[in-house]
Amino acid sequence: LAKTTQPISMDSYEGQEVNITCSHNNIATNDYITWYQQFPSQGPRFIIQGYKTKVTNEVASLFIPADRKSSTLSLPRVSLSDTAVYYCLVLRGSQGNLIFGKGTKLSVKP
Amino acid sequence: NAGVTQTPKFQVLKTGQSMTLQCAQDMNHEYMSWYRQDPGMGLRLIHYSVGAGITDQGEVPNGYNVSRSTTEDFPLRLLSAAPSQTSVYFCASVARGRDEQFFGPGTRLTVL
Repeated sequence: LAKTTQPISMDSYEGQEVNITCSHNNIATNDYITWYQQFPSQGPRFIIQGYKTKVTNEVASLFIPADRKSSTLSLPRVSLSDTAVYYCLVLRGSQGNLIFGKGTKLSVKP
Repeated sequence: NAGVTQTPKFQVLKTGQSMTLQCAQDMNHEYMSWYRQDPGMGLRLIHYSVGAGITDQGEVPNGYNVSRSTTEDFPLRLLSAAPSQTSVYFCASVARGRDEQFFGPGTRLTVL
């Protein structure tokens, strides 16, 4: 599976848009890009998944360029409650065996 | 649905003791997994199962055993606890053909 690289940490202020970029240079044709969110003392929670172009749900948007070697998770108008660790994963038909990196720790300040 | 449940929430063991962490899901998911998370780190896969009677090793399987006798339950056994196994343990499940894993609330284990 493709290795992912993302920033260790990011800081933001309430009301700002936050973009977290993940690089996955060795992504394969059948791989999907998936993002999870983890609040302190909780298990991770699925946020969004995409294959190419743009995907949007009630929580976030995911932008994937044509070459698919990177992706950007966009959180609109963050609040303090968006403070969490965000994990980017590349999946190929998961059988429950996810491989997590260290993720990006997002800190939202008032 | 209760989703994925884990017991106990907290546990303290002495080195050399054994114990079983319980995990159950009521979503009829085929796939279940165990992860551990050390402070400041991402999750690491211990063992996973694609169905009753089928298990496989993940990234860090040493010191742990699993079995899957039913679709609902996936217990994790520590054979002889060591301080290096102090961690937070998460169980997860996912339906076949889907990628959205559902995680339990975790078990915080301390080995003295």
